[in-house]
Amino acid sequence: AQTVTQSQPEMSVQEAETVTLSCTYDTSESNYYLFWYKQPPSRQMILVIRQEAYKQQNATENRFSVNFQKAAKSFSLKISDSQLGDTAMYFCAFMFSGGGADGLTFGKGTHLIIQP
Amino acid sequence: GAVVSQHPSRVICKSGTSVKIECRSLDFQATTMFWYRQFPKQSLMLMATSNEGSKATYEQGVEKDKFLINHASLTLSTLTVTSAHPEDSSFYICSALSLDGGGPRDEQYFGPGTRLTVT
Repeated sequence: AQTVTQSQPEMSVQEAETVTLSCTYDTSESNYYLFWYKQPPSRQMILVIRQEAYKQQNATENRFSVNFQKAAKSFSLKISDSQLGDTAMYFCAFMFSGGGADGLTFGKGTHLIIQP
Repeated sequence: GAVVSQHPSRVICKSGTSVKIECRSLDFQATTMFWYRQFPKQSLMLMATSNEGSKATYEQGVEKDKFLINHASLTLSTLTVTSAHPEDSSFYICSALSLDGGGPRDEQYFGPGTRLTVT
């Protein structure tokens, strides 16, 4: 079984600053996906960014980028030029990609607060 | 595209009664849907995997006789909480995997969730 660990329960930064959220995971699998999801107060899960484990290049989506270190089993999320709307819970998630359909294993989440 | 709906959004029921939650993929077909549970200020926990036309697969520790899952069509999965008790009060979220190219094959699209309160 895989585990996902987010060691920062809460983080707070000023608007326009850059913030990095940490995530580590443990798995014996070699083929998998990693995700960062955002959950605002509405509780709707929103995909922020995804990374296929076989890809060495780090994924980027506008202001969001990841630092994927496969050997270290680390998958951190960097948010540049943070905005008030980025305030939310952020969950790191793992999904096995062995060919079948697998559910997501989530970390405990990081509550990110962007201060004006 | 790739919208998933849940109904109801909120439900209050009395202890001992059953309640059904629907999860629908509105603009794509989904052979597989997932049900998650989220307690207040906690993370999402996978409860079960729902496959169209076959029995659901439950995660360890989830009572299959208490949480009945039916995936009768490519766009609908239902979760029935039977003989509900106050400890079943939680936020239930479904997600669906796209079959027909509505998005990446491995991306799960989430519904807005259902808040269940058992009194």
